[in-house]
Amino acid sequence: GENVEQHPSTLSVQEGDSAVIKCTYSDSASNYFPWYKQELGKGPQLIIDIRSNVGEKKDQRIAVTLNKTAKHFSLHITETQPEDSAVYFCAPPLRSGGGADGLTFGKGTHLIIQP
Amino acid sequence: DSGVTQTPKHLITATGQRVTLRCSPRSGDLSVYWYQQSLDQGLQFLIQYYNGEERAKGNILERFSAQQFPDLHSELNLSSLELGDSALYFCASSVSDTQYFGPGTRLTVL
Repeated sequence: GENVEQHPSTLSVQEGDSAVIKCTYSDSASNYFPWYKQELGKGPQLIIDIRSNVGEKKDQRIAVTLNKTAKHFSLHITETQPEDSAVYFCAPPLRSGGGADGLTFGKGTHLIIQP
Repeated sequence: DSGVTQTPKHLITATGQRVTLRCSPRSGDLSVYWYQQSLDQGLQFLIQYYNGEERAKGNILERFSAQQFPDLHSELNLSSLELGDSALYFCASSVSDTQYFGPGTRLTVL
């Protein structure tokens, strides 16, 4: 099965600074790599995802980079704002293909934006 | 709002009891997934249904079962409940890769 490791477990940054969270995975057949954000009392919300045919994807202040050789993908948040405070999870599928497979969640990164 | 609904929001019950959690997927989504989130185990995939058929199994206990009905809503049945079953249970739905999560049901077993 898929092993997923996520670092760091807690990240505190000043408002306006950048935050980077890294996820490593074990299944070399994986081809879909999502990041989820979970706010207190809510379900996980997809914020960005990437497929293995591209190395980087950007959506406004959020970007994801993928290094398939090293089996890791990272979440980058620039110009952080108070509303970015939440727990972030990487969640590659249990098996290749995505979609039809359950997601394997990392342990999560608690991002704290200091005013 | 993801479009996935779950009921009830909260459930408090006693050990040994049985409960049913309900999920309505987003309109048009054929796949439904169930996940459990607890402090010690994190977010774990339990089971997936696609168009009424079981598609994949994760770390689901034998005391737990699920089904998906012709209208595509799904139910997760938890029986012989133990204290350790206290957790948040999420349902997600998808039509392709992207899974959309509901708000969850918080189960407390006393």
